Amino acid sequence: KNEVEQSPQNLTAQEGEFITINCSYSVGISALHWLQQHPGGGIVSLFMLSSGKKKHGRLIATINIQEKHSSLHITASHPRDSAVYICAVAGNNDMRFGAGTRLTVKP
Amino acid sequence: EAQVTQNPRYLITVTGKKLTVTCSQNMNHEYMSWYRQDPGLGLRQIYYSMNVEVTDKGDVPEGYKVSRKEKRNFPLILESPSPNQTSLYFCASSFQGVTREQYFGPGTRLTVT
Repeated sequence: KNEVEQSPQNLTAQEGEFITINCSYSVGISALHWLQQHPGGGIVSLFMLSSGKKKHGRLIATINIQEKHSSLHITASHPRDSAVYICAVAGNNDMRFGAGTRLTVKP
Repeated sequence: EAQVTQNPRYLITVTGKKLTVTCSQNMNHEYMSWYRQDPGLGLRQIYYSMNVEVTDKGDVPEGYKVSRKEKRNFPLILESPSPNQTSLYFCASSFQGVTREQYFGPGTRLTVT
């Protein structure tokens, strides 16, 4: 079993829909990262969480440390949100990654 | 502009021919790391460095070497590349460790024949 599990693997949505991507982990962590990988391959950091909730524009990330679970929400999804979203957990100095969720938002 | 740069961006080479992929950041970051990304396996950490002259193995260090002689540079060395090292490689940096925002380079696509 992978230490970091993401669901769903693939997600297709219509423009305007509310999106949720889930991440569960089985190890102790110091922080959790949500990353976005564009179709061209570049990776950008969306959020870094160690507790609670963060919001940036239409994106919201939450983490429940006790349940070892995090969610990434996208409100009012747009075709430009189409990308692979990757959950990564940080240990002491190392990082472990989920397999990613491929999101396609259709106009 | 704050950035992480990698060179080369694309490389096709032959088995056994030593190569170096460079990584440089201009943000005075202490932490730097190398990852490889493979279909079905996702991103995996190869090596990381907490600061100059401090490096440590990640999950998949076999066949790779690194050095951190200067704060801004963290080259990845493949002394004798093999076809199973064909992959997409990313360098990343952060101000201080894994509990800070990570900045990724653009990636290096390596093919070893």
